[in-house]
Amino acid sequence: GAGVSQSPSNKVTEKGKDVELRCDPISGHTALYWYRQSLGQGLEFLIYFQGNSAPDKSGLPSDRFSAERTGGSVSTLTIQRTQQEDSAVYLCASSVAWSGASNQPQHFGDGTRLSIL
Amino acid sequence: AQKVTQAQTEISVVEKEDVTLDCVYETRDTTYYLFWYKQPPSGELVFLIRRNSFDEQNEISGRYSWNFQKSTSSFNFTITASQVVDSAVYFCALSEAAGGTSYGKLTFGQGTILTVHP
Repeated sequence: GAGVSQSPSNKVTEKGKDVELRCDPISGHTALYWYRQSLGQGLEFLIYFQGNSAPDKSGLPSDRFSAERTGGSVSTLTIQRTQQEDSAVYLCASSVAWSGASNQPQHFGDGTRLSIL
Repeated sequence: AQKVTQAQTEISVVEKEDVTLDCVYETRDTTYYLFWYKQPPSGELVFLIRRNSFDEQNEISGRYSWNFQKSTSSFNFTITASQVVDSAVYFCALSEAAGGTSYGKLTFGQGTILTVHP
């Protein structure tokens, strides 16, 4: 079966532009997470979706960052008015239904490498 | 707040050597989960193992083994008879029980770069 798919693989854009990053989770996985991996900060949690709702947005670094998920599947992370400090690899992960009894492993995509010039 | 510390930034070994990657964590929760992920040069994070806080049994999977000790808040990872293909960045991660308000999000350590030389 297909894993988590992210697009584009690489994105280079000018400072101030908006960008959209896409994540297609593993079929049947209702939990979806976005993380950011950068040299200075390591791997950081950004946002969590259960179905179409985002009960945890605590990791979004500023109001320039937003995300949505439609149909309980594909998610889009949008960064408005990009800044150079937004340069990083953005990773998406999905897992089977969130359960209070056990934390199922998160399966990651290959990420989108974002470079802001 | 949760915290994961991987004190070893980089480790270099020669093939067939055994190597242990250290992981120390901090959490106030009594129920939590620990994970190890491997990130090869291709970039994808590959899940290796999950342990819950109630299960302190050590686990072995082929050349990989994990030593979980709650008394020292450690979850160390040993690769026996290392191979060049083991070269990667290894991340230790922690999550609270998903029944809380953390929703199972992962807190990662900084990672350990392992290089295995032929």
